[in-house]
Amino acid sequence: QSVLTQPPSASGTPGQRVTISCSGSSSNIGSNVVNWYQQLPGTAPKLLIYRNDQRPSGVPDRFSGSKSGTSASLAISGLQSEDEADYYCAAWDDSLNGQVFGGGTKLTVL
Amino acid sequence: EVQLVESGGGLVQPGGSLRLSCAASGFTFSSYEMNWVRQAPGKGLEWVSYISSSGSTKYYADSVKGRFTISRDNAKNSLYLQMNSLRVADTAVYYCAREGLGTGAPLDSWGQGTLVTVSS
Repeated sequence: QSVLTQPPSASGTPGQRVTISCSGSSSNIGSNVVNWYQQLPGTAPKLLIYRNDQRPSGVPDRFSGSKSGTSASLAISGLQSEDEADYYCAAWDDSLNGQVFGGGTKLTVL
Repeated sequence: EVQLVESGGGLVQPGGSLRLSCAASGFTFSSYEMNWVRQAPGKGLEWVSYISSSGSTKYYADSVKGRFTISRDNAKNSLYLQMNSLRVADTAVYYCAREGLGTGAPLDSWGQGTLVTVSS
């Protein structure tokens, strides 16, 4: 059982827009920034969105993040086949004194 | 180019010990906080441990507290994870990850991971 809650799966067709939600509590998302990671099959995770809505250099602007209260979301517009991956949200938890991750969302491009 | 290379994984019996290493290059290692994150086969990511840049502050997930010890050698640009009293549930790919600079910094660079298998 992960501290942050994500839907286990999401899907869309090429060109569509999909969103992935991440729900937490006052001790994590409610009081700290949210980061998102993308894990392509068979590879290490890669930073996708940091500090709620910032994109590292090299990440397409099709990816965007937002946060409100104790929830966050990742949006992917103009869906492409190469976006098929697992996506994880994460935040620092003040009560646990550690990073907490969501359970991950497997994105399928139909 | 930032590089993190883990090593030391392998097969170990329940109750055994293993020491993981992470060799860092391409950045000033002593300036960065570091973490270990693991991923059990077919499962999600689980944060394991954190160490400050100087090594003076350490945090652990409840699941490994008292059994695992994180450490670093800034002169050797290396991060370590000493794992004792290993359990079957510790079977996972272990990643070392660099924490970016500043408050709320993300894990901005990850190694390729090293597989630890705990089995009799």
